[in-house]
Amino acid sequence: AQTIHQWPVAEIKAVGSPLSLGCTIKGKSSPNLYWYWQATGGTLQQLFYSITVGQVESVVQLNLSASRPKDDQFILSTEKLLLSHSGFYLCAWSPDYEQYFGPGTRLTVL
Amino acid sequence: GQQVQQSPTSLVLQEGENAELQCNFSTSLNSMQWFYQRPGGSLISVFYNPSGTKQSGRLTSTTVIKERRSSLHISSSQITDSGTYLCAMERVNNNAPRFGAGTKLSVKP
Repeated sequence: AQTIHQWPVAEIKAVGSPLSLGCTIKGKSSPNLYWYWQATGGTLQQLFYSITVGQVESVVQLNLSASRPKDDQFILSTEKLLLSHSGFYLCAWSPDYEQYFGPGTRLTVL
Repeated sequence: GQQVQQSPTSLVLQEGENAELQCNFSTSLNSMQWFYQRPGGSLISVFYNPSGTKQSGRLTSTTVIKERRSSLHISSSQITDSGTYLCAMERVNNNAPRFGAGTKLSVKP
């Protein structure tokens, strides 16, 4: 069975500080991987998706970047956090169209 | 404009009542999926239902591609059904699923 992990579970960070969020999928080779973001009370938005190692497509510009260094790993990062980056970040994987989500990371930027 | 419209925005039921949640799309879709979002934020897939009708226990989903709509029916609601239900559509030739804003369901004893 496939499992998806996200880390950390929660972060409290200062404006202007760097950020790195991670996502790992086990039990599935070459999955499609996705990053989503949801502001408090807002709609879930897809940020990035990746079909294969080293390839990432940006969907929404939020001064964030993503990388896929390994087949089973997807990283979301920024060098300078903004207040507007606060929210809930979800990683998902998909064999085709059906999506499976990780537990999420709650980010608070102060 | 908003490509995925969910209705109602919120719904309050007495335990045992039925619920009908709607999702309407403004573009052609390749697939659609219903999710339950826990209060903590994590998402659980309820149905992957690109077309037709699927049932699982008290839950039934019906997607009509030609009419660009999908519904989620919850029969004999229970308190534990409370939460937010999201629908998501994947458009033709597009890898970025669009989510609706959700229906917040509260089931009271």
